[in-house]
Amino acid sequence: QKEVEQNSGPLSVPEGAIASLNCTYSDRVSQSFFWYRQYSGKSPELIMSIYSNGDKEDGRFTAQLNKASQYVSLLIRDSQPSDSATYLCAVTGGGADGLTFGKGTHLIIQP
Amino acid sequence: KAGVTQTPRYLIKTRGQQVTLSCSPISGHRSVSWYQQTPGQGLQFLFEYFSETQRNKGNFPGRFSGRQFSNSRSEMNVSTLELGDSALYLCASSSSGTGYPGNTIYFGEGSWLTVV
Repeated sequence: QKEVEQNSGPLSVPEGAIASLNCTYSDRVSQSFFWYRQYSGKSPELIMSIYSNGDKEDGRFTAQLNKASQYVSLLIRDSQPSDSATYLCAVTGGGADGLTFGKGTHLIIQP
Repeated sequence: KAGVTQTPRYLIKTRGQQVTLSCSPISGHRSVSWYQQTPGQGLQFLFEYFSETQRNKGNFPGRFSGRQFSNSRSEMNVSTLELGDSALYLCASSSSGTGYPGNTIYFGEGSWLTVV
């Protein structure tokens, strides 16, 4: 049974600070890793994808992957109130495998 | 470029009825997968279709089924609805299939199903 673990939060971060979201996964053969943002009542929106060890930056977002530790994280710099949402970590392995999601971390950016 | 389109957006059904949900993927995408989201269980994988063939199926009862047409549009059906089937049903679109490295997966807005 593949598992993806996230701290459910809420994680409260002051506006302008760095928000750090973490995720661990159980299946060592996982190959693709995604962070989705979901606002209440809306569908998940892709924020970042990462496939190899190291950091990947896109604007204010940085995804970090460490396959040896089975750990993936998302950093949000200069956090804005509009970043307040639930962040979902998703993992998939090789072949015809669906996404396995964590339960999500509820992030609150305090003005 | 149009996104993933799901219909209907909202629906209410009675226990025991059946329901069909539709999904049109992003143009050129051949993979469609379906997910169920509930407050208690989170997002769970239902099944994936690629070029009209079911490639994988999650841990759901046989009441949940789907199909994909030659134009890549997909439908999912839930028969003999139960109260616990109330959920947000999400369709995801990708070009090559969920499990392939480098393949980006996009979600539609979802269909909110309430079973009473």
